Amino acid sequence: EAQVTQNPRYLITVTGKKLTVTCSQNMNHEYMSWYRQDPGLGLRQIYYSMNVEVTDKGDVPEGYKVSRKEKRNFPLILESPSPNQTSLYFCASTTSPNSNTEAFFGQGTRLTVV
Amino acid sequence: AQSVAQPEDQVKVAEGNPLTVKCTYSVSGNPYLFWYVQYPNRGLQFLLKYITGDNLVKGSYGFEAEFNKSQTSFHLKKPSALVSDSALYFCAVRGVETDSWGKFQFGAGTQVVVTP
Repeated sequence: EAQVTQNPRYLITVTGKKLTVTCSQNMNHEYMSWYRQDPGLGLRQIYYSMNVEVTDKGDVPEGYKVSRKEKRNFPLILESPSPNQTSLYFCASTTSPNSNTEAFFGQGTRLTVV
Repeated sequence: AQSVAQPEDQVKVAEGNPLTVKCTYSVSGNPYLFWYVQYPNRGLQFLLKYITGDNLVKGSYGFEAEFNKSQTSFHLKKPSALVSDSALYFCAVRGVETDSWGKFQFGAGTQVVVTP
């Protein structure tokens, strides 16, 4: 089954403790991205990657890092989480940056930073 | 820069009545427009998209959307709503401008409530 898998689904952590949210897709997609969803703000892009070893900042990259060592994986790293990073996070992938293709989304990771 | 607006935070309709969720966009050139639905504790699911051609696009679960270039709108519609359509709906435009190529820009979302 074609899917985007994120882990963990739920995470509660303390300020400053490094964490990684994993994302993996099995569709051989080139383009992957991370979004955060906050009430009233919709989804905002954090980082994206057009292919292996190619990553770039989205609209809200501060406090986040990503890597793309393999085509299927695109982890999101919070080196020193803060309470304002409490949010619902989604990973998404599409076949290519070609603009007419839809995105596939993971199930989401609900992160709480205390 | 491209943008999407969903002017209603919530739309409430009775089951069996028609449902409309509004979306307007701003983009240079021809837009690529999408609708997604999010059920509680789930990811976003693709409903339909407009690329080119017929202004009326049909999608999943009986939904359709009408593209109107002069009004820069892409409203989502369903002739007869079901209680199970209650969810959060997002309109999105995918980047066609140089500095946003391939990027999805989402609206703030519209909560649909269908009452029995």
